[in-house]
Amino acid sequence: DSGVTQTPKHLITATGQRVTLRCSPRSGDLSVYWYQQSLDQGLQFLIQYYNGEERAKGNILERFSAQQFPDLHSELNLSSLELGDSALYFCASSDLGRRHGYTFGSGTRLTVV
Amino acid sequence: AQSVAQPEDQVNVAEGNPLTVKCTYSVSGNPYLFWYVQYPNRGLQFLLKYITGDNLVKGSYGFEAEFNKSQTSFHLKKPSALVSDSALYFCAVRDLGSGGSYIPTFGRGTSLIVHP
Repeated sequence: DSGVTQTPKHLITATGQRVTLRCSPRSGDLSVYWYQQSLDQGLQFLIQYYNGEERAKGNILERFSAQQFPDLHSELNLSSLELGDSALYFCASSDLGRRHGYTFGSGTRLTVV
Repeated sequence: AQSVAQPEDQVNVAEGNPLTVKCTYSVSGNPYLFWYVQYPNRGLQFLLKYITGDNLVKGSYGFEAEFNKSQTSFHLKKPSALVSDSALYFCAVRDLGSGGSYIPTFGRGTSLIVHP
């Protein structure tokens, strides 16, 4: 157990639908990062939150959004889903990488059918 | 923008032989470099990092990495490979993103296959 918890582990949904992925960071970590992993694109950074505020954006589509709540858990919302959104979505947390690097959850496998 | 490249999609090695997984990077300032390992259906696990100091960094499971500033490389090594080392290995560099944050950028990964 890495200390970063992601739910659900698997998700199957239809095109056009909306889903929410959840991440609880490692205890004491204020920063949460979301990544998308697909075979053709590798590991792509989506977005980062730090203590409830958005800090950085990567290759995140407008159909995707995220937030970090006061208890520091984060949610990634994916809407108007397309087949190409099928991927593994990882959450990572850190203390800005100063001590233990970045700790990853085990991911949510999203399948859009 | 900062980037990292892993030139080999796959590395094959016999059990007991030394292994090297290559990584090169491009940064504008001082690099913070990481290696992670991913086993099937699992998240990425931290192996080691280089921030400053000794160019040879020792990490988990007997892995080490050598930082070479002149060649902008950070190759992952292990003196004697195990079949259980077979996994996907990612090199990462810490990038200064927008808003003053530090975003790790990952390479595309190298699949290490250790043959019995």
